[in-house]
Amino acid sequence: GAGVSQSPSNKVTEKGKDVELRCDPISGHTALYWYRQSLGQGLEFLIYFQGNSAPDKSGLPSDRFSAERTGGSVSTLTIQRTQQEDSAVYLCASSLMDSVFFGPGTRLTVL
Amino acid sequence: QQQVKQSPQSLIVQKGGISIINCAYENTAFDYFPWYQQFPGKGPALLIAIRPDVSEKKEGRFTISFNKSAKQFSLHIMDSQPGDSATYFCAASKRASGSRLTFGEGTQLTVNP
Repeated sequence: GAGVSQSPSNKVTEKGKDVELRCDPISGHTALYWYRQSLGQGLEFLIYFQGNSAPDKSGLPSDRFSAERTGGSVSTLTIQRTQQEDSAVYLCASSLMDSVFFGPGTRLTVL
Repeated sequence: QQQVKQSPQSLIVQKGGISIINCAYENTAFDYFPWYQQFPGKGPALLIAIRPDVSEKKEGRFTISFNKSAKQFSLHIMDSQPGDSATYFCAASKRASGSRLTFGEGTQLTVNP
């Protein structure tokens, strides 16, 4: 299948550690998004990349969060000095036009 | 600021019945309204979407009704099946600023056999 893929599927870390989450978007999709979904909650926008434009970082909750997208394809979301409140499912999505397609998510647990 | 409000939070329907989920939005600049279906442990999957130039869109058992003047849209699931049991999210976006989606809070649908 040529869907959005994310790795790892699960990540358990200790408070204070840094984590990196990876997203491989659908080939050819110019837009890439990161969302966060806490247990039983809705989807919270984090960051948006569109082509070569500057990313929209307006949803990042703190300066501990950062993301990059290399070569217009793969993206990495980095969380520094993780806190327990960072525990959630981190969802990546990509789109070419209006339709946005999500990956399966990375479940992050901060102990 | 909650720009998309979704109701109900949970819904229980008997097999064969009609499931109706409602959403209301505030930003009149929104011009794309998709619905997503999410099963436990999976990412949201695009179900059906509508643009404000039409009042209704139907795909199989799923229909979106859109009321631009009321700033409301709804998802109707006809002949609901146990396999439809999932969480449903409405969303909205402004295509001019990319497809950044603002989501409703979600509705947990249970279809009893």
